[in-house]
Parts: sequence; C-alpha cells; structure tokens
Amino acid sequence: GENVEQHPSTLSVQEGDSAVIKCTYSDSASNYFPWYKQELGKRPQLIIDIRSNVGEKKDQRIAVTLNKTAKHFSLHITETQPEDSAVYFCAARRGTGGENKLTFGTGTQLKVEL
Amino acid sequence: IAGITQAPTSQILAAGRRMTLRCTQDMRHNAMYWYRQDLGLGLRLIHYSNTAGTTGKGEVPDGYSVSRANTDDFPLTLASAVPSQTSVYFCASSAFTGGDTGELFFGEGSRLTVL
Repeated sequence: GENVEQHPSTLSVQEGDSAVIKCTYSDSASNYFPWYKQELGKRPQLIIDIRSNVGEKKDQRIAVTLNKTAKHFSLHITETQPEDSAVYFCAARRGTGGENKLTFGTGTQLKVEL
Repeated sequence: IAGITQAPTSQILAAGRRMTLRCTQDMRHNAMYWYRQDLGLGLRLIHYSNTAGTTGKGEVPDGYSVSRANTDDFPLTLASAVPSQTSVYFCASSAFTGGDTGELFFGEGSRLTVL
C-alpha cells in the first residue's frame, strides 16, 4: 500500500518568515495530494490540494509543489502569521481502481513565534 | 448547520466492553471514513465506505467493524475494547465520484480512553 513520510515533525519560525514542509510517497500511481491543517483541539480541514497533472498551485500565502519523478511534494507558507500555528498533514491517494483511500503523513507541528 | 456529527465527544471505557461510535452526515456525501489519530502517527484509516451498502478495510482495521445501512450513518464498533484502542477517532465524509476524491469533511472527533 501507499506510504507517506512527512518532515519535519516540528517546525518553529519567526512571524513573517517562510515555512516549508516536505512529504514523500511510495506509490507511483498516486495522483492526488491534499494538505490538511488542524488547529489545537479542532478537526482537520483542507487548505490546498494538487493533482499529478500540475506541478505547482498557489492560494494566497500558501503553495504546494509536486515532483512526480522524485515522488515528493511540499507545502510552502510565506509571511507566516500566528494563526498559521497548527499541525499540518500531507496525504496521497491512488488514482485508479475505484479505491478512495487517503494515506496521511504523520504531521508537522508548526509554531509561529512573535 | 450542515455537516458531520459524531457522538460521544469523549468516553472512558473498561477493557473488554463493547462500544459504538456514531457518525451522521447531512451533506448527502456518498463516501464516509473512520480515522484514528495518535500522537506521532498522524491519521490512520480504519474503515471506509464508498457508498451505502459497501465497506472496505483501511490501514488498521483489526478490532473494529463498520456498517453502512444508509447514506447518512456510518457507525464504528469496537467489539471488545483494548487499551491500545485509546485514541481520538475522526469520522469524515466526501463526495467521491469514482475518479476523483472530493474534500474530506471531518467531524469534531471522539476521544476514547480504554482502561
């Protein structure tokens, strides 16, 4: 099955700096890669996603890049703010066979310090 | 407010007892899922259902069972709880179309402690 590795497990940045979280996946058939944000005590929520026919996607201060050859994808947050502090999860989904199973990474605790 | 509801919010359970976590959604999503969240291990899929009447196993299905009698409800049952099942359980749903995973909408979570 799919295996998703996520690094780093914790990340501290100064407010205004950029943050980068990286994930690798094992199944070359995976073609959908979402990122979820989970604030303390809350439910995970989708913040951005990318499909394998696209190399990069941006939404205001967040962007995701995908390298299918190397089987890795990254989340970039620019101009970080205190409200960006949360746990971020990457995930991957195999695209064929009717299966609908997202495999999540182990999460990155991002702390934005004032 | 439309969404996905889980019950109970938290529960302490003696080992060996049977427990059912309830999950109901009113978004008419065809796909539903159960994940468990453990520190350092992220979100791991227990069971899923692409449509009413069908279910499938995820990464960690042992000790758990599910049913999907209708579109809205997807209960998770622990037949005989063990301490390793202490976790936070999230139910989720999505509008899966067969070729494209829709956004997963998560419930608030159910914190289960097995003693």
